[in-house]
Amino acid sequence: DIQMTQSPSTLSASAGDRVTITCRASQSITSCLAWYQQKPGKAPKLLIYRASNLESGVSSRFSGSGSGTEFTLTINSLQPDDFATYYCQQYCGYSRTFGQGTKLEIK
Amino acid sequence: EMQLVESGGGLVQPGGSLRLSCAASGFTFSNYAMSWVRQAPGKGLEWVSIISDSSGTTLYADSLRGRCSISRDNSKNTLYLQINSLRAEDTATYYCAKGRVDTVTGYSHFDYWGQGTLVTVSS
Repeated sequence: DIQMTQSPSTLSASAGDRVTITCRASQSITSCLAWYQQKPGKAPKLLIYRASNLESGVSSRFSGSGSGTEFTLTINSLQPDDFATYYCQQYCGYSRTFGQGTKLEIK
Repeated sequence: EMQLVESGGGLVQPGGSLRLSCAASGFTFSNYAMSWVRQAPGKGLEWVSIISDSSGTTLYADSLRGRCSISRDNSKNTLYLQINSLRAEDTATYYCAKGRVDTVTGYSHFDYWGQGTLVTVSS
């Protein structure tokens, strides 16, 4: 199975900051990579698909990049509503695997 | 408005079985793959299973393969997950998620999620 490794596990930042989260796949997944945001007690929300495509309705402060085995999610000008947990997910082939998550905390 | 409403969770004894349901509305259910994802308390997301739009293809995570079965009834717009031989480590919130085919890769990611149903396995 394809393993997904996110870093860091926790990220402390302030409103207005720019942050980057990294996700690495154990083998090439071309561009089959999605990013989700989850707030406590809520369902995950799709932010980015195909590594760099912004989901409709999602703020342009979110962007994704990468291909193959290394991917990044960048959030520009952090807003209070952005403090949440972020997950990457590979969706190639016969499995769907999530990274372990990155909790974005207020510094 | 698109809606996914899970039900069927609750307290189950170890070794027991459970069937979860996910009622869909607001979209043409039969056109989309559907999936189950679970989340243990305080932990991350774990993909469980996915079923194609016509039920022709079903896939399972290694952790549950052999103990669970995904199915759907397109006439009732409902997705199911049967889990047998439940263990304490199956305690989690179970989410259903709607698949959307990535037109470039041909594979589905999840563009809409229900609010989840909590399964607690304990004696």
